Amino acid sequence: NAGVTQTPKFQVLKTGQSMTLQCAQDMNHEYMSWYRQDPGMGLRLIHYSVGAGITDQGEVPNGYNVSRSTTEDFPLRLLSAAPSQTSVYFCASSSTTGGNGYTFGSGTRLTVV
Amino acid sequence: AQSVTQPDIHITVSEGASLELRCNYSYGATPYLFWYVQSPGQGLQLLLKYFSGDTLVQGIKGFEAEFKRSQSSFNLRKPSVHWSDAAEYFCAVGAQGAQKLVFGQGTRLTINP
Repeated sequence: NAGVTQTPKFQVLKTGQSMTLQCAQDMNHEYMSWYRQDPGMGLRLIHYSVGAGITDQGEVPNGYNVSRSTTEDFPLRLLSAAPSQTSVYFCASSSTTGGNGYTFGSGTRLTVV
Repeated sequence: AQSVTQPDIHITVSEGASLELRCNYSYGATPYLFWYVQSPGQGLQLLLKYFSGDTLVQGIKGFEAEFKRSQSSFNLRKPSVHWSDAAEYFCAVGAQGAQKLVFGQGTRLTINP
């Protein structure tokens, strides 16, 4: 089992550029989420999805877009990158019962210059 | 809305000493509670979880946590720490079952030899 796979692992963007962070899971999990991690602030929820075709905003959704066309994939789009979006981004997935908790990907370190 | 507070940003203990990391949550219904550990540069690994039943839960790596509804707490304990336990620890509460997790700010654990 690959679990949750995030690509790329590292990325440098210029202000104003757009990009998509990829997330795929092979555990047939219904729930998927995107978090950003910043020093001293823990992990903050950006967007989440409870199934294909269903997404909702988390705590810090501004500047980010998501879609969920399949159970496996949950890409995160940065529409126009800003230095404030410099962060480490984590994708996570869980079954509907949450029985094994959320499984996290290894993260994408994004720097916006 | 749900929230999690980890009052201690940084804790230092000696190897072999006991450990307790504090976590307080705010949530109107019965919470799903989790503890995760993150080693430097790594993703998050689930240590243990509480959904219902026995309020003392055992996890991996010799950790345990106790759910106390009256105190809205879910503190993490280990009787004797090892140098390899140095990491950052996150407490999280699951809202609406396991649909989304809200994290505390984390506690960084340093182990003195």
